[in-house]
Amino acid sequence: EVQLVESGGGLIQRGANLRLSCAASGFTFSSYAMTWVRQTPGGGLEWLSSISESGSNTQNSDSVKGRFIISRDNSKNTLYLDMHSLRDDDTAVYYCAKFAITGWTRLSAIFDPWGQGTLVTVSP
Amino acid sequence: EIVMTQSPATLSVSPGERITLSCRASQTVSTRLAWYQQKPGQVPRLLIYGASARATGVPDRFSGGGSGTEFTLIISSLQAEDFAAYYCQQYNDWPLTFGGGTKVEIK
Repeated sequence: EVQLVESGGGLIQRGANLRLSCAASGFTFSSYAMTWVRQTPGGGLEWLSSISESGSNTQNSDSVKGRFIISRDNSKNTLYLDMHSLRDDDTAVYYCAKFAITGWTRLSAIFDPWGQGTLVTVSP
Repeated sequence: EIVMTQSPATLSVSPGERITLSCRASQTVSTRLAWYQQKPGQVPRLLIYGASARATGVPDRFSGGGSGTEFTLIISSLQAEDFAAYYCQQYNDWPLTFGGGTKVEIK
């Protein structure tokens, strides 16, 4: 069974940095692109970043470009999101998700499954 | 950026009813459109991809349609477990974008 378990969230001060992790199991991690999506308190979903199977290619939302960095360690079956200079509007539940099909193109950017999420709360 | 607009924002229905949810793209996405279901307290789950292909394990009362800029998700006979939020997502171009969601609630 595919499992994705996020960790690293919590209460963090505005302007601070945070690293989220997503531990993957139940599939060949190095064969699939991965992604981070967040869900704001209002309920909306926002795609943040995706990374290719090897980690050599990434795509990022303009809203977090330059502040959030996606990476992966295939030897540890782990996906990361390094978040810098956190702002109040970064408060959200952060999900990692697996691309449903193999391949690094936007055409394979369908997300299944999703992890349980980790809550990041940025305080003033 | 391709803007995805879902309507209505909320739909109040009774079990057994047939419902249609809409998703509109600001520019064509061909059939590169996915639907996700999120039940209260749960994580999003892939329902439909390629505008009309059901994901594994999705009941056939769910059907997706459309192409270009106009898409629909139809639930033919609403079951108790279908009361949830539904989101569309385009994957025709970067950045990937989601619609704002439709919440299906019990009337």
